[in-house]
Amino acid sequence: NAGVTQTPKFQVLKTGQSMTLQCAQDMNHNSMYWYRQDPGMGLRLIYYSASEGTTDKGEVPNGYNVSRLNKREFSLRLESAAPSQTSVYFCASSSGGSGANVLTFGAGSRLTVL
Amino acid sequence: ILNVEQSPQSLHVQEGDSTNFTCSFPSSNFYALHWYRWETAKSPEALFVMTLNGDEKKKGRISATLNTKEGYSYLYIKGSQPEDSATYLCAARAQAGTALIFGKGTTLSVSS
Repeated sequence: NAGVTQTPKFQVLKTGQSMTLQCAQDMNHNSMYWYRQDPGMGLRLIYYSASEGTTDKGEVPNGYNVSRLNKREFSLRLESAAPSQTSVYFCASSSGGSGANVLTFGAGSRLTVL
Repeated sequence: ILNVEQSPQSLHVQEGDSTNFTCSFPSSNFYALHWYRWETAKSPEALFVMTLNGDEKKKGRISATLNTKEGYSYLYIKGSQPEDSATYLCAARAQAGTALIFGKGTTLSVSS
């Protein structure tokens, strides 16, 4: 009964380094999302995947890439980290994009870029 | 991308007070409205989903209404308790199959 699992929970990077945040869900959900949370900004959508094989940009996609590896997994990659990418990242999933399908969130990944 | 706005940004009330928050969204581009509750050091959890104009949902002391014609939703908390302290997020979906876009949230603090 894991739900949505994100790894790592914490990461410190130097400017210019790359890393991948991993997300996996075990609820057979079709849609998966990556959000970032910054103080006073709520949750801002980075990328989402409405179904396996599709990805779309959200509100703040610059500096990120995503891969929907299979139905369970949706990874977020920072190719060249910048201090502006210091944030808490949340992965979420839902059954689909219809109105009643709520999001289930992971525990979050706190990333610091020095 | 939808523009979802919430007010107030923060609110401090005394135990037993009733309170309400507002979420506004474009009425011309609406499919669904969600409310989430986000406690410190936890992940957001869904409270309500509403899709039809006039929808009303209730869970204990918390309720929500939806007006799609004028583009707003209210969240009400009756008799606030310290355990209601959290950030309340609303999110809107413009069309089926698109992503949920969140507002910046209203942070509620309830003093005993």
